[in-house]
Amino acid sequence: GAVVSQHPSRVICKSGTSVKIECRSLDFQATTMFWYRQFPKQSLMLMATSNEGSKATYEQGVEKDKFLINHASLTLSTLTVTSAHPEDSSFYICSARDRLEVHNEQFFGPGTRLTVL
Amino acid sequence: DAKTTQPPSMDCAEGRAANLPCNHSTISGNEYVYWYRQIHSQGPQYIIHGLKNNETNEMASLIITEDRKSSTLILPHATLRDTAVYYCIAARNAGNMLTFGGGTRLMVKP
Repeated sequence: GAVVSQHPSRVICKSGTSVKIECRSLDFQATTMFWYRQFPKQSLMLMATSNEGSKATYEQGVEKDKFLINHASLTLSTLTVTSAHPEDSSFYICSARDRLEVHNEQFFGPGTRLTVL
Repeated sequence: DAKTTQPPSMDCAEGRAANLPCNHSTISGNEYVYWYRQIHSQGPQYIIHGLKNNETNEMASLIITEDRKSSTLILPHATLRDTAVYYCIAARNAGNMLTFGGGTRLMVKP
């Protein structure tokens, strides 16, 4: 099956620093990738939709200047949390849709756990 | 996407069938029922989906009622590794954004 990877799997940073999370589709091309956030004991919440070669679409309440998304190629999208604060600590999960949409589904990455001290 | 309702938690004995219900009474005719699961600290994993007919694959079976207002995911022989949160989602296309509800936390016990 299609594989989506995320890097890093876990990151700890100091408050005020920026953190970049990569999401890669390993064996397929993804014109669309999604970024979700999950706080402890809560469900996944969509943050933004990333389309290759264009600006991301952010969900209501998500600051686009704080969560920078770049989808520069068909296999890579990055999420940069700028000036991270402890309340940004969360589990960030990306997913990708196969350009060929053979299975009409999206494939999820393993997630990145961000801890801001 | 139509709203879905699931019990927050369920227990199942190892080796027995796990039957996870989902209500989606406002589902529209072109919306599929998708099931994903999320094992602790991992990304969601696709299990199965269906429109009208019952479906079966190597992981599970999906039973959809005739009026499509509810469905049941069946894990025929639950193992400890099936302990996870199971999400039922109604959507026209799983390639688009998915709205995750609370899901059902399934605990498989020895």
